[in-house]
Amino acid sequence: QKEVEQNSGPLSVPEGAIASLNCTYSDRGSQSFFWYRQYSGKSPELIMFIYSNGDKEDGRFTAQLNKASQYVSLLIRDSQPSDSATYLCAVNRRTSYDKVIFGPGTSLSVIP
Amino acid sequence: KAGVTQTPRYLIKTRGQQVTLSCSPISGHRSVSWYQQTPGQGLQFLFEYFSETQRNKGNFPGRFSGRQFSNSRSEMNVSTLELGDSALYLCASSPGQGSSGYTFGSGTRLTVV
Repeated sequence: QKEVEQNSGPLSVPEGAIASLNCTYSDRGSQSFFWYRQYSGKSPELIMFIYSNGDKEDGRFTAQLNKASQYVSLLIRDSQPSDSATYLCAVNRRTSYDKVIFGPGTSLSVIP
Repeated sequence: KAGVTQTPRYLIKTRGQQVTLSCSPISGHRSVSWYQQTPGQGLQFLFEYFSETQRNKGNFPGRFSGRQFSNSRSEMNVSTLELGDSALYLCASSPGQGSSGYTFGSGTRLTVV
């Protein structure tokens, strides 16, 4: 079992729809969870992070965490063509230092 | 505020050679992590340095090594290059105390021929 798993996609949604990206992780001791966006040919950039169970909203983005189910998701509301990218889920297994493991990423395509 | 600087941006090396990549983190950040990104394997963790100490290491052979200097700049070295080492090498900077997320550099694209 891989440490962090995501559906590879591609996920296609029409412009204005909600895109839902999912991620599961294997280490129950994982402490913090991140979503990064990576455009083709560019480096990953941090969208948001979440530590506690529940939802965390930032603009059009909502991260959801369920530690009991070892599940993290990212919702993108009112999807725009500029949201077309690969979305990487990442998990930090420690609190005091960084050992961040990335999932394989989900490719999202927003169709105008 | 300056971002994360990686040099060089591109490298072409021959099998058997060695290579050194450099990363300057964001000012004030003390943690530097290195990742290898390939189309087939995604982002693979190489190692993490904090205050000149390697705190974590991924599952890469000993040909991959790194270090961090007192100014937090970091280098990684790959010796006896193999074709499979061709990849994008990304450096990630963070404050280092239970991260609130990384800032990545633009990466070094290494091609081994």
